[in-house]
Amino acid sequence: EDKVVQSPLSLVVHEGDTVTLNCSYEVTNFRSLLWYKQEKKAPTFLFMLTSSGIEKKSGRLSSILDNKELFSILNITATQTGDSAVYLCAVDRRAGGTSYGKLTFGQGTILTVHP
Amino acid sequence: NAGVTQTPKFRVLKTGQSMTLLCAQDMNHEYMYWYRQDPGMGLRLIHYSVGEGTTAKGEVPDGYNVSRLKKQNFLLGLESAAPSQTSVYFCASSYNVGVRLYGYTFGSGTRLTVV
Repeated sequence: EDKVVQSPLSLVVHEGDTVTLNCSYEVTNFRSLLWYKQEKKAPTFLFMLTSSGIEKKSGRLSSILDNKELFSILNITATQTGDSAVYLCAVDRRAGGTSYGKLTFGQGTILTVHP
Repeated sequence: NAGVTQTPKFRVLKTGQSMTLLCAQDMNHEYMYWYRQDPGMGLRLIHYSVGEGTTAKGEVPDGYNVSRLKKQNFLLGLESAAPSQTSVYFCASSYNVGVRLYGYTFGSGTRLTVV
């Protein structure tokens, strides 16, 4: 059975801190790993990772995949109160020569950033 | 450009009642999905569709039916609602090129309470 596990489940920090969120997975026919940010409504896309060792960056957020050890990390530097959200990790599987986008999600990490 | 639109946004049902949730996308995406989100469990796939007129079961399909009569619409039906179906429901759509996913977009969710 496919499994995606995120840690920690919740995290409380102060503005300016750096945080690292973890996502480990056991998925057959892995194709890609996606990170989403969810603020009380629809998850919004952050990153898609398909290749091991290649860091993706967007402002203060960055992420990297290790598909040998089967995990990914999401880093947020100089956190702000607007970073408070649930961060979701999801894995997509390959089905033959295509991908149907049937994502398996982790439980999410609740990040709270205090002023 | 509306993206993915879900209706209704909130609904309270009595046990045994039926209802249909509507998802509409205007991005001409081939694939559409219904997920449910429960506390501490991330998102779980209910049903999905890889094209007009086709549907398939996801991880938690029991108690739900779906239809995709038009490419832009994906309907989720509850024939006889149960309290265990109290959840937040998200619709999503995407397309792919080969094994690569693109444009995975979520709607804003429907909060359903079954009493």
